[in-house]
Amino acid sequence: DAKTTQPPSMDCAEGRAANLPCNHSTISGNEYVYWYRQIHSQGPQYIIHGLKNNETNEMASLIITEDRKSSTLILPHATLRDTAVYYCIVRSRNAGNNRKLIWGLGTSLAVNP
Amino acid sequence: NAGVTQTPKFQVLKTGQSMTLQCAQDMNHNSMYWYRQDPGMGLRLIYYSASEGTTDKGEVPNGYNVSRLNKREFSLRLESAAPSQTSVYFCASSDSTSSGDTQYFGPGTRLTVL
Repeated sequence: DAKTTQPPSMDCAEGRAANLPCNHSTISGNEYVYWYRQIHSQGPQYIIHGLKNNETNEMASLIITEDRKSSTLILPHATLRDTAVYYCIVRSRNAGNNRKLIWGLGTSLAVNP
Repeated sequence: NAGVTQTPKFQVLKTGQSMTLQCAQDMNHNSMYWYRQDPGMGLRLIYYSASEGTTDKGEVPNGYNVSRLNKREFSLRLESAAPSQTSVYFCASSDSTSSGDTQYFGPGTRLTVL
């Protein structure tokens, strides 16, 4: 699975959009981009994933560049409860028995009042 | 629908003691996983079970054993605990679909080995 690069920390004002970038320049054609978050001391929570098209759900939007080498997770109206560490992970669509997700250090997002 | 549950939530052991961490999921997922997370670090995979009856080593399996008891339950055993195993342990489950392999996590077990 390809590696990802994320900024270690970001700040966002409450009510504003939070845009979290992720670089995955070595991504291959059959790899998905996944986003998870981990609120302090809790288990990671799935947010969204995509292959090449932009995706949106009730939590967030995922924008993937046309060359698929980077993506941005957008929280449209950040709240204090969105303060968490956000992880961007790429994973093969055809993982077979290789179930290892490579978890980096993620981006620590602080939403400020 | 409780999702993924883990017991216990907290545990303190002395060096050399043994214990089993329990995990259960009610989402009918085929795959289950055990991760550990040390302070300030990302998750590292200890063992996984792609389906009932199979288990495989992950990135950091030494000092651990697992049992996939049935489709719902996946336990992690420390036979002789060491201080280096002080960590937070997360269990997860997933099911592969045509649109990916999303993992769902339990709340974690906080283990301290003295």
